[in-house]
Amino acid sequence: GAVVSQHPSRVICKSGTSVKIECRSLDFQATTMFWYRQFPKQSLMLMATSNEGSKATYEQGVEKDKFLINHASLTLSTLTVTSAHPEDSSFYICSALDRRSSTDTQYFGPGTRLTVL
Amino acid sequence: QKEVEQDPGPLSVPEGAIVSLNCTYSNSAFQYFMWYRQYSRKGPELLMYTYSSGNKEDGRFTAQVDKSSKYISLFIRDSQPSDSATYLCAMSAVLGSNYKLTFGKGTLLTVNP
Repeated sequence: GAVVSQHPSRVICKSGTSVKIECRSLDFQATTMFWYRQFPKQSLMLMATSNEGSKATYEQGVEKDKFLINHASLTLSTLTVTSAHPEDSSFYICSALDRRSSTDTQYFGPGTRLTVL
Repeated sequence: QKEVEQDPGPLSVPEGAIVSLNCTYSNSAFQYFMWYRQYSRKGPELLMYTYSSGNKEDGRFTAQVDKSSKYISLFIRDSQPSDSATYLCAMSAVLGSNYKLTFGKGTLLTVNP
């Protein structure tokens, strides 16, 4: 398999502040990364697709001005939750697309638990 | 109707049992099928990857895809307490630049020692 890291693993912040989450592919280059959100006992909800060197593609209903995504290198994508509010509290998971074989495979990071007070 | 249906369980079995996990889907364009395992408060871990119909075996895990019935399964033989986790099925119609996974809700499995 491949390794994807996420940092931080847990963050608590005050309402109105911004929080940045980093996603790194450690042993492969990923031109495409994905950001998901997961509520308790729910499945993963795709928020956006991040492509290196271009603008992210957001899913319907996801506010692009609130969830800023930057994919500045082939191993790093960041998600910034701007002006966070309690309803943004959730588990955020990134994945990186490994295209080294003929079968594209998504490998996931360990997730970041965001709590907004 | 949701694109991917998966019984959320919970499913509780004794150690050593054979576990069967299933998903149905409605989009006939899906060709790539995956099973992920997710431990509590962790990211999903890829278990099995299958293309089109057929069976694939890896150790104690067997993945089956029946495209005619739009039905996929994951079997776990000789289940262990360490298999206790949520199992998510996922599928995609295409690879490449338009690649996108559609997930089931996940089935929570507990294997009791």
